[in-house]
Amino acid sequence: GQQLNQSPQSMFIQEGEDVSMNCTSSSIFNTWLWYKQDPGEGPVLLIALYKAGELTSNGRLTAQFGITRKDSFLNISASIPSDVGIYFCAGPHFSGYALNFGKGTSLLVTP
Amino acid sequence: DAGVIQSPRHEVTEMGQEVTLRCKPISGHNSLFWYRQTMMRGLELLIYFNNNVPIDDSGMPEDRFSAKMPNASFSTLKIQPSEPRDSAVYFCASSFSTNEQYFGPGTRLTVT
Repeated sequence: GQQLNQSPQSMFIQEGEDVSMNCTSSSIFNTWLWYKQDPGEGPVLLIALYKAGELTSNGRLTAQFGITRKDSFLNISASIPSDVGIYFCAGPHFSGYALNFGKGTSLLVTP
Repeated sequence: DAGVIQSPRHEVTEMGQEVTLRCKPISGHNSLFWYRQTMMRGLELLIYFNNNVPIDDSGMPEDRFSAKMPNASFSTLKIQPSEPRDSAVYFCASSFSTNEQYFGPGTRLTVT
């Protein structure tokens, strides 16, 4: 399937700091999605992007669909301890509505 | 509204035993997905159903794995016989004709 590369692999920040992470693909996508996974839980959809250049916000989270259609970015502003978790990017699998996932960015926030 | 429901949440079994994982998708969703998550390989698609019909099972590791969706509100993933390397978290997800999938809480499988 398509390769999705996320970076950084992990981040350790202080509460209140802004966070940026990104994802690149070996293929052009028409959809990018960002998920968050808390320990012991399933991934939860944060933001879905459908158009190159699109910038979409969900509270303190902002995601962008790169204009090359091969990358996407997720920013978290003014981080808080409950932002801790693993953030995954995802793009369409070659078959229908299934998804390919990146390996995730693990975020730790200290009070 | 109820989300995707999976059972059991945890399963510990011995090598060689049959394991059955269950999933109830969100009511009204017409696509159902089974994923497996491990530290080494991350989240991998196993199989994908649309309108109860398997569309892509290329991710199913081998013949020991099988999945069924007898109706729109129920799916099973069976491993027979189970092996230690099958230990992982198995997720079920559903969607309604989009890539926006909603995941269940997962089943943590340990095969000893």
